[in-house]
Amino acid sequence: EVQLVETGGGLMQPGGSLRLSCAASGFTVSSNYMNWVRQAPGKGLEWVSVIYSGGSTYYADSVKGRFTISRDNSKNTLYLQMNSLRAEDTAVYYCARGGSKKPFDYWGQGTLVTVSS
Amino acid sequence: EIVLTQSPGTLSLSPGERATLSCRASQSVTSSYLAWYQQKPGQAPRLLIYGASSRATGIPDRFSGSGSGTDFTLTISRLEPEDFAVYYCQQYGSSPLTFGGGTKVEIK
Repeated sequence: EVQLVETGGGLMQPGGSLRLSCAASGFTVSSNYMNWVRQAPGKGLEWVSVIYSGGSTYYADSVKGRFTISRDNSKNTLYLQMNSLRAEDTAVYYCARGGSKKPFDYWGQGTLVTVSS
Repeated sequence: EIVLTQSPGTLSLSPGERATLSCRASQSVTSSYLAWYQQKPGQAPRLLIYGASSRATGIPDRFSGSGSGTDFTLTISRLEPEDFAVYYCQQYGSSPLTFGGGTKVEIK
């Protein structure tokens, strides 16, 4: 059974850093395109970042230069390193499999990141 | 960037009625790489339709997708109580991947 479990969310002050994790089971992270998608409270979905199976990474303009996506193949886990956090980064962050001509067929349950002083 | 505009913002219908949701793209969606997702409160989105018209695994046949180019439609033939939710379209053929703003289907 495919499962994605995000952890690492919490309350952070503006300017702080946080690392989110997404542990996968039932498939191999490194063989798939993996994404982070976020949803601000009461708002729609916003794609944040993708890591391709080959290792290439891409980011939304809103997080470029501040967030870094990566993976640990030995742990079958996806990460999102979030630096220089802003209030507008407050959202539920989901990891999802898919992208580049593949739909997002599996999603985690999400982890809430709140940036506030 | 392809901008997806969903309409209406809210659809008020009764169980058993037909729902028609629209998703318009600012430019042609490559090879109909258009998906629809359903999201209920407190839950992650769930893939319903991909490739504009193919149902994902386990999705009931009352859900159907159609369209090509810049105009796409999600139809729910007869609304069941569990179908009241927010629906998002997404294009996944061009970078950056983008989502529409969503349509809320609420009980009238």
